[in-house]
Amino acid sequence: RKEVEQDPGPFNVPEGATVAFNCTYSNSASQSFFWYRQDCRKEPKLLMSVYSSGNEDGRFTAQLNRASQYISLLIRDSKLSDSATYLCVVREDSSYKLIFGSGTRLLVRP
Amino acid sequence: GAVVSQHPSWVICKSGTSVKIECRSLDFQATTMFWYRQFPKQSLMLMATSNEGSKATYEQGVEKDKFLINHASLTLSTLTVTSAHPEDSSFYICSARVSGSGGNEQFFGPGTRLTVL
Repeated sequence: RKEVEQDPGPFNVPEGATVAFNCTYSNSASQSFFWYRQDCRKEPKLLMSVYSSGNEDGRFTAQLNRASQYISLLIRDSKLSDSATYLCVVREDSSYKLIFGSGTRLLVRP
Repeated sequence: GAVVSQHPSWVICKSGTSVKIECRSLDFQATTMFWYRQFPKQSLMLMATSNEGSKATYEQGVEKDKFLINHASLTLSTLTVTSAHPEDSSFYICSARVSGSGGNEQFFGPGTRLTVL
């Protein structure tokens, strides 16, 4: 079983749509979670951290369910510029290693 | 955010040659740098953790004699792919963790695309 699993997509949505991505992780002791965005042939960039209480940054909302070991990302009012691959990431707090999911590809069409 | 550079951004080489990739933290000191590899349509896979002044720690399945890592200063780590073969063609990305950072954010370099003919 992979340590971090994501639906690869692609999710093809019209501009203005709301889209949600899910992620599950296998290590119940994990404490730190993130969503990264990666554009084609570029390095990943931190989108947001994920907190237990849930957190929002503009059109983006992240949720964490520790009991189910499940992380989600909700994007509201999708823009063309949101087209990218979204990576679910878990950090090993003892070593600071980042464990990446395989990513979910989002395509926002006009 | 902090800036991390990588050089070269891309390289094409013949099979059997060695390639060195540099990772530099430009405006901060990085005690720890990480090296990742990403094959097409796959996610980033951690290859090794590089600590300044000590030997790198390699992930399972990564050959330390093939992927030589040197972290001689707080702002520079290098990855040398020795005797590269076509299966080593990949996108190599480094990241650096700010020394003493309680937030522990990692900053990524722009990556180096290696093509081995």
